[in-house]
Amino acid sequence: GESVGLHLPTLSVQEGDNSIINCAYSNSASDYFIWYKQESGKGPQFIIDIRSNMDKRQGQRVTVLLNKTVKHLSLQIAATQPGDSAVYFCAENNAGNMLTFGGGTRLMVKP
Amino acid sequence: NAGVTQTPKFQVLKTGQSMTLQCAQDMNHEYMSWYRQDPGMGLRLIHYSVGAGITDQGEVPNGYNVSRSTTEDFPLRLLSAAPSQTSVYFCASSYSGQGVNQPQHFGDGTRLSIL
Repeated sequence: GESVGLHLPTLSVQEGDNSIINCAYSNSASDYFIWYKQESGKGPQFIIDIRSNMDKRQGQRVTVLLNKTVKHLSLQIAATQPGDSAVYFCAENNAGNMLTFGGGTRLMVKP
Repeated sequence: NAGVTQTPKFQVLKTGQSMTLQCAQDMNHEYMSWYRQDPGMGLRLIHYSVGAGITDQGEVPNGYNVSRSTTEDFPLRLLSAAPSQTSVYFCASSYSGQGVNQPQHFGDGTRLSIL
């Protein structure tokens, strides 16, 4: 079946730097994409979403970019903080509301 | 506002036992779902419901049953536990499941071990 995947399983950044987490998706019919943050022992927490009719969406310190031509999604975190350390998942919604998750990227922030 | 509440938080079962994982939400969400998360992996959809009285299978439904008698509750039943069902189980909910794209809100999970 079609799936969502991630290029980097672990990303280590210096506190204050910007972080970029990438995600490749394979289902061209997907029309909605979501980024979740998961801290140890907790459930996924919604960060930001984007619909397929958009290329970019900004939130507080986070930006999601969608490139439909190459089926690529990225999450940019500005001025990364220790509290940003977590596992980040991208997910696509391609069948009404059935989320397909990628494998996750662990973000480690060095002080 | 409690959001999505899952009980129990931890459970150990023996092979062949049955049990029910509870999930309740107080946001009046129509859509509810169950996922499992295995170590180092993303979440996989087990079952979902787009409203009371309606359920459907996800990616990995075998060995699990669900029912949706009320909007608030969506229990997940393991019929005969197997070691392969050792996992962390997450329940999630959102406003609508009929083609309307909305972010899902997750509970904090039930950590289940099958011996």
